[in-house]
Amino acid sequence: KAGVTQTPRYLIKTRGQQVTLSCSPISGHRSVSWYQQTPGQGLQFLFEYFSETQRNKGNFPGRFSGRQFSNSRSEMNVSTLELGDSALYLCASSRGASWLGELFFGEGSRLTVL
Amino acid sequence: QQQVKQSPQSLIVQKGGISIINCAYENTAFDYFPWYQQFPGKGPALLIAIRPDVSEKKEGRFTISFNKSAKQFSLHIMDSQPGDSATYFCAAGNTGNQFYFGTGTSLTVIP
Repeated sequence: KAGVTQTPRYLIKTRGQQVTLSCSPISGHRSVSWYQQTPGQGLQFLFEYFSETQRNKGNFPGRFSGRQFSNSRSEMNVSTLELGDSALYLCASSRGASWLGELFFGEGSRLTVL
Repeated sequence: QQQVKQSPQSLIVQKGGISIINCAYENTAFDYFPWYQQFPGKGPALLIAIRPDVSEKKEGRFTISFNKSAKQFSLHIMDSQPGDSATYFCAAGNTGNQFYFGTGTSLTVIP
């Protein structure tokens, strides 16, 4: 059974640009959550989507947005990139709502903003 | 405000020793407390989880101890092995809401 797939794995952008990250959940999983991981901050919750609807949103500015498609695949977008957006962005899928149990994480997309 | 506080930030243990990582939470509504293990270059993976109706859960060498009154829970790794060297994250959450993760503990087990 294929795991959570995130693309691209690495990318470099400059300040002011925008970026789109993609996540393909495990087959049959309907929930996708996004996290930002930085040293010293751990995993910070961005948002969760379930059946194409945003269920929860973390405390990030509006530059961070996401969506989920009918096949459960999800994308997140960051506009007007800032240096502080450099981080590992992790996607996690779960069969039902995330709070019901195990999250399955992808290997992440490492974003560097210059 | 950090909903889940984790300590220590880093931990070095001799092979065969006991590794202990502690977490404290604020929200008494939290009802699910998982621990995730992350190896370099990989995403976190669920290690063990507990719900507040029990005070301890053991799976192999890994044990979660839970103290509801103190709002604290900890991970104990018995007979620590070099292969356990990884970053460990505690988390807490409840129905309808997001998970809150700790800041992580980097564990190094020396052979």
